[in-house]
Parts: sequence; C-alpha cells; structure tokens
Amino acid sequence: RKEVEQDPGPFNVPEGATVAFNCTYSNSASQSFFWYRQDCRKEPKLLMSVYSSGNEDGRFTAQLNRASQYISLLIRDSKLSDSATYLCVGNNAGNMLTFGGGTRLMVKP
Amino acid sequence: EAGVAQSPRYKIIEKRQSVAFWCNPISGHATLYWYQQILGQGPKLLIQFQNNGVVDDSQLPKDRFSAERLKGVDSTLKIQPAKLEDSAVYLCASSLAVNNSPLHFGNGTRLTVT
Repeated sequence: RKEVEQDPGPFNVPEGATVAFNCTYSNSASQSFFWYRQDCRKEPKLLMSVYSSGNEDGRFTAQLNRASQYISLLIRDSKLSDSATYLCVGNNAGNMLTFGGGTRLMVKP
Repeated sequence: EAGVAQSPRYKIIEKRQSVAFWCNPISGHATLYWYQQILGQGPKLLIQFQNNGVVDDSQLPKDRFSAERLKGVDSTLKIQPAKLEDSAVYLCASSLAVNNSPLHFGNGTRLTVT
C-alpha cells in the first residue's frame, strides 16, 4: 500500500460545480498534512495546510479524518482556472513529507 | 522574499553522461529537499538536508546519485552516469523546519536523457 494515495482522476466538472478529492494515508502517526496545486509544467505550490479542526480559505475547504486516515479537499463554485493537479502531502513511516500521485481536475465551461 | 532558485531550467544529455543541478533555498530555511518528479507522478523525495546534515536519503540511488550541502545553504545534486529512466523534473524545495513546515519549491530542472 502506498503511504499517501490519491485517485488520479481526471475529474471533469462544469464551471460552478462543487468537487471533492480524498487522499488516504497509511501512517496513523502522521502529523503534517498539506494540499498543493501543480499546473502543467510548473512546480507545486502550496494551496493550504490541513489542520485537525479543518480549515477554509475562500472556496477551498480542507478536512482531516484521523479515524479513517484521510484528508479531503473541497472546491466550491469551480472556476476554469482551478484546472490543475492537486497533490496531497503527509508524513510517511519515517516522518518524511511524502506526496501522493496527484488528482487531476479539469473544469469545463 | 526571494524564492527557491534552481539552475539550469533544462538539460539534455546522453545516457552515461554526468549532470549536476544547483539549488539556492529561501534565506533562513534550514531544511532543503531534492525531489524527482516523473511525468504523471507525484514528487518522490530523493534526499533531505537539515542545515548541512543528511536527514534522509533512503530513496537516493546512491550508485549514481549524490548530493551535498556543504555550507548549509546551497546544494548540488549530481547524477553520474545518467540512465534513460532518470529523465524527470528535479525539484528543490526548502522549509523553515523539519517535516512540519510547508515546502516551497523552485521552478525545477527538466532533465532529458537520450
């Protein structure tokens, strides 16, 4: 089992839709979680950190579910510019920050 | 604040040749990472430094890859000799602290091995 696992997608959604991605992690002791956004042929950029209490930044909401060992990212009112690959990050068994394979989102007009 | 600087942006070499990449992290960031990202996959950690010491290099193919961060600031990653499967983007990232702080990435070096 991969240490941080994501559905690769692609998720094809219309503009204005709400879309959610999950990311499962195998290390129950993982403390740090992040969501990154990566545009084609660009470097990953931090979208948001994921806190135990959950956090929201505009149209984006991140949640942590420790019991089921997953984190989620919810995007409301999708924009064309949200089209990208979304990478989740957690700690592996050695406490190193480990990336999932990414989930590709395509928002269509 | 200046971001993470990497060079070169692109490199094309033949298999069995050598190549080196350079990274300058954000000022004050003690932790530096080198990731390899193959097309269609997430970044894979090659090596992590805390100041000039290695924290983790368990996924670094040490028979051909080496990295150093001699003065605890800049870092170089070398591949010698390169193989076709080394074609990837090599991303350098830095963070304030180990493992709990978000990573800030450079633009990456796109390596093509022919």
